[in-house]
Amino acid sequence: EIVLTQSPATLSVSPGERATLSCRTSQSDSSNLAWYQQKPGQAPRLLIYGASIRATGIPARFSGSGSGTEFTLTISSLQSEDFAVYFCQQYKNWPPTFGQGTTVDI
Amino acid sequence: EVQLVQSGAEVKKPGESLKISCKGSGDTSSSYWITWVRQMPGQGLEFMGIIYPRDSETRYSPPFQGRVTFSVDKAIDTAYLQWASLKASDTAIYYCATQGTSWSPIDSWGQGTLVSVSS
Repeated sequence: EIVLTQSPATLSVSPGERATLSCRTSQSDSSNLAWYQQKPGQAPRLLIYGASIRATGIPARFSGSGSGTEFTLTISSLQSEDFAVYFCQQYKNWPPTFGQGTTVDI
Repeated sequence: EVQLVQSGAEVKKPGESLKISCKGSGDTSSSYWITWVRQMPGQGLEFMGIIYPRDSETRYSPPFQGRVTFSVDKAIDTAYLQWASLKASDTAIYYCATQGTSWSPIDSWGQGTLVSVSS
């Protein structure tokens, strides 16, 4: 099983600032990596897939990058609605696995 | 796109059985897999497995193999997650979701079903 390690566990930022979240995989997974956003009391939402492709309706301030074992989610200018928990997931190797999450708070 | 609506919260005792549902609407004639994901209280996401509604092909993630059963009723576009004997450690929110293939990201999520197991 591929283990995903996200860092930091918590990221404290101010609105308008840039946030950079990291996801490291225990094995190289090419670009089969997704990012999800989960707000309190809600189901997760797909943000990014294929490491860098924004899902339908996702604002351009969200961007993904990386390959191999190192991946990054960047939120260029945090809006109030972006404070949430973010999970990465590798979905090509069975079983698909999630990182433990990064909480982005004020 | 397929939209998913899950059954309501459940409160059960250890040893009891349970079956929760996930009903699809919208483009249910398209090809997609149903995914089940567990989220224990205050914890992250755990991939339980997938089922293909067209032929009921099922794959379980190892920690869940033998502990749960996935099924579908194609006639009513509904998927099910069931337990034969619940444990307190099954207390969690369970999400059903869709993915286009067995190796795709999860693209649509149900609202989640809270299952509470306590004596």
